[in-house]
Amino acid sequence: DAGVTQSPTHLIKTRGQQVTLRCSPKSGHDTVSWYQQALGQGPQFIFQYYEEEERQRGNFPDRFSGHQFPNYSSELNVNALLLGDSALYLCASSLETGEVHEQYFGPGTRLTVT
Amino acid sequence: AQSVSQHNHHVILSEAASLELGCNYSYGGTVNLFWYVQYPGQHLQLLLKYFSGDPLVKGIKGFEAEFIKSKFSFNLRKPSVQWSDTAEYFCAVNQRGTYKYIFGTGTRLKVLA
Repeated sequence: DAGVTQSPTHLIKTRGQQVTLRCSPKSGHDTVSWYQQALGQGPQFIFQYYEEEERQRGNFPDRFSGHQFPNYSSELNVNALLLGDSALYLCASSLETGEVHEQYFGPGTRLTVT
Repeated sequence: AQSVSQHNHHVILSEAASLELGCNYSYGGTVNLFWYVQYPGQHLQLLLKYFSGDPLVKGIKGFEAEFIKSKFSFNLRKPSVQWSDTAEYFCAVNQRGTYKYIFGTGTRLKVLA
């Protein structure tokens, strides 16, 4: 049973650049959420995608956008990168009809902005 | 603002000691509650969860947590820790009717052999 996978594992970008992170949900899951985890902090909710639509968003600027594909995989895009965007980006998947949308997390993508 | 507080940021225990990690949240409505664990070099894994019913829930590896609604708390406990419990522990709250989880800042547990 394939768990949540994310790519790439690590990424280094320069301020002002744009980045795309990818996530494949756990087999059978149809919902994807993205979180940002800064050093020494807990994960912070960015947004959630279901049926290829963003249906809830946290307190993140419009520079953060996403997409969900028909196969349920998802991308997180961040434009005009800032130094403060350096963090571990986590993808979590869940099943819409599952028990209270229990979320399963991937290993994350470590983004460093220089 | 909605928040989750984990008051113990770092905890050091000897093997066989008892563990209790605090978690308090600030929501007034119905919530779902979770504890996640992150072992060194691994991703977040669900330790246990509470949705409804018996407020004392049991999870994997001998962990349990008690939901006390009047105190807005969901503390994690283990009677006797092992060296392999060394990890970071996160409490998370989901407000019913929403999709996001709000996480605490985590507690780093180190168990000395």
